[in-house]
Amino acid sequence: DTGVSQDPRHKITKRGQNVTFRCDPISEHNRLYWYRQTLGQGPEFLTYFQNEAQLEKSRLLSDRFSAERPKGSFSTLEIQRTEQGDSAMYLCASNEQGNYGYTFGSGTRLTVV
Amino acid sequence: KQEVTQIPAALSVPEGENLVLNCSFTDSAIYNLQWFRQDPGKGLTSLLLIQSSQREQTSGRLNASLDKSSGRSTLYIAASQPGDSATYLCAVRGSGGSNYKLTFGKGTLLTVNP
Repeated sequence: DTGVSQDPRHKITKRGQNVTFRCDPISEHNRLYWYRQTLGQGPEFLTYFQNEAQLEKSRLLSDRFSAERPKGSFSTLEIQRTEQGDSAMYLCASNEQGNYGYTFGSGTRLTVV
Repeated sequence: KQEVTQIPAALSVPEGENLVLNCSFTDSAIYNLQWFRQDPGKGLTSLLLIQSSQREQTSGRLNASLDKSSGRSTLYIAASQPGDSATYLCAVRGSGGSNYKLTFGKGTLLTVNP
């Protein structure tokens, strides 16, 4: 297993378009997270899955955002009707239940023009 | 609400110097603390994980300490190299209700000059 994979690495989209990102966690990790990072800031929590169940969504996640993790494997994060304020790095991470550290992916850089 | 502060925001040192990065957090009820490295435009690479019961962790030229009661952690980098140039992020995992979330500082941008 080569770690947490995210696709695409970069996405440029026009305002109003929909975008979808994919994350493949480390296979034995049952917990998966999405974070968002804007320039000069630390990552901020967006949402969390344990297996296929989405257990928490941050208030940062407006109704335009939706995340899924079918069958508890890969996850997708969709943003509908993108706005310029959505421009950020979207980071996915995974870990096992317990006092384990996080493993992050390389992120998806979204630019909304 | 947990808040994490990293000082300094930026640091520039000559190659070979030993340096210390600081991280403080407001709520001492934590499970663990993790230091990450982030290169420009890239994801996060984990450097060291310290459990709440531990005082320090070492990996190569890196040493991280944790003083949970005072809400502080330091990352010590020995004999710095230009390849160490990156942003270093500190993140704490709380032990309260949402005990799976990480709260990050804004990071310290380190530049090591040859």
